[in-house]
Amino acid sequence: AQSVAQPEDQVNVAEGNPLTVKCTYSVSGNPYLFWYVQYPNRGLQFLLKYITGDNLVKGSYGFEAEFNKSQTSFHLKKPSALVSDSALYFCAVRDFTTSGTYKYIFGTGTRLKVLA
Amino acid sequence: DAGVTQSPTHLIKTRGQQVTLRCSPKSGHDTVSWYQQALGQGPQFIFQYYEEEERQRGNFPDRFSGHQFPNYSSELNVNALLLGDSALYLCASSLSTWDTEAFFGQGTRLTVV
Repeated sequence: AQSVAQPEDQVNVAEGNPLTVKCTYSVSGNPYLFWYVQYPNRGLQFLLKYITGDNLVKGSYGFEAEFNKSQTSFHLKKPSALVSDSALYFCAVRDFTTSGTYKYIFGTGTRLKVLA
Repeated sequence: DAGVTQSPTHLIKTRGQQVTLRCSPKSGHDTVSWYQQALGQGPQFIFQYYEEEERQRGNFPDRFSGHQFPNYSSELNVNALLLGDSALYLCASSLSTWDTEAFFGQGTRLTVV
């Protein structure tokens, strides 16, 4: 079965410092990986995805993620954190069915707190 | 272009009651999925609708049912509400192609008392 794991419940980082939010995956076949962000009392907002191609994926708001097949990881990164980046971050894998439909399987989420 | 819109935003129901949540997908999107996000958890897949049919279902009881209309909008119905059904219910819309991302609504916060 497909799954993703986010080993950290919370990550604290000082404003201006680089940030990393970790995600590891377990899939059969090629992984389709996503990062979403959730602000308080809001839905999920798409940040970036890895389908195929370059291992370094660039997304919205200066975020990027590195796909590492040997380590089965897809860590989210940003060179310089902003206080406004404070939110709940979810890693997800797309799980396909034999009928061609799919669903997302989400990790448990990592709360990012950027300190001024 | 409006994104995914859900209504209502908040709802309080009593145990045993029934509830209907509504979702309008992003313009041009033909596939709607519903997720349940309990407090402190990641979203869990409930089911997906395409061409007005339920195409895939997660591990949820039959008390959870849905519908998709010809204009692609969708409803989620939950019967015989339990306290454990309290959660944020998220609607996601997408195209029926494999390489695109889903867009999520702001969710409906359901509280069962």
